[in-house]
Amino acid sequence: QQPVQSPQAVILREGEDAVINCSSSKALYSVHWYRQKHGEAPVFLMILLKGGEQKGHEKISASFNEKKQQSSLYLTASQLSYSGTYFCGTENQAGTALIFGKGTTLSVSS
Amino acid sequence: GAGVSQSPRYKVTKRGQDVALRCDPISGHVSLYWYRQALGQGPEFLTYFNYEAQQDKSGLPNDRFSAERPEGSISTLTIQRTEQRDSAMYRCASSLAGLNTGELFFGEGSRLTVL
Repeated sequence: QQPVQSPQAVILREGEDAVINCSSSKALYSVHWYRQKHGEAPVFLMILLKGGEQKGHEKISASFNEKKQQSSLYLTASQLSYSGTYFCGTENQAGTALIFGKGTTLSVSS
Repeated sequence: GAGVSQSPRYKVTKRGQDVALRCDPISGHVSLYWYRQALGQGPEFLTYFNYEAQQDKSGLPNDRFSAERPEGSISTLTIQRTEQRDSAMYRCASSLAGLNTGELFFGEGSRLTVL
């Protein structure tokens, strides 16, 4: 049930772009994205809902392909502040909680 | 405070002892979740409360783990007869009402070390 993320790690210079992928073996109704900086709590980035609706409050975009059971997070013109571990989360069988992937660590240097 | 508050932030205990971890969610948040996070891994779901009702405890590893939220606000996660494999960061999260409102607010966590 745990979603699979790729790649495991990305190293970028400021201004470069990155794509983080999340895929599931089961039908998805929503995909949630979180970022966790070292030593801190995970922080919400956005939710993508079946039907195309997006809710978020960061200047980061994402796509959600229901048929392929995949989501991708697009980080364009990366900034130092983008560094951290990104987790995607999908609903568990009961629809009560999120199951998170193992994470993708993004390192942005100047 | 404005965020999810957890205590203690750090707990070191000896194998076989019981521990209780406390979570104070954001005021007015109906949903409360407990997660466990090992170093370098994503949060692992333990249990979910809707108000005071424990609606999903499917993630609790075994019967040494229990949780309660008696008045629909503060929650306690209790681990009995702790074992070394229980060592981890335990995180509480709350949301306004389930997953549909989008955002889970995570607390800073309680780091448990079992010697």
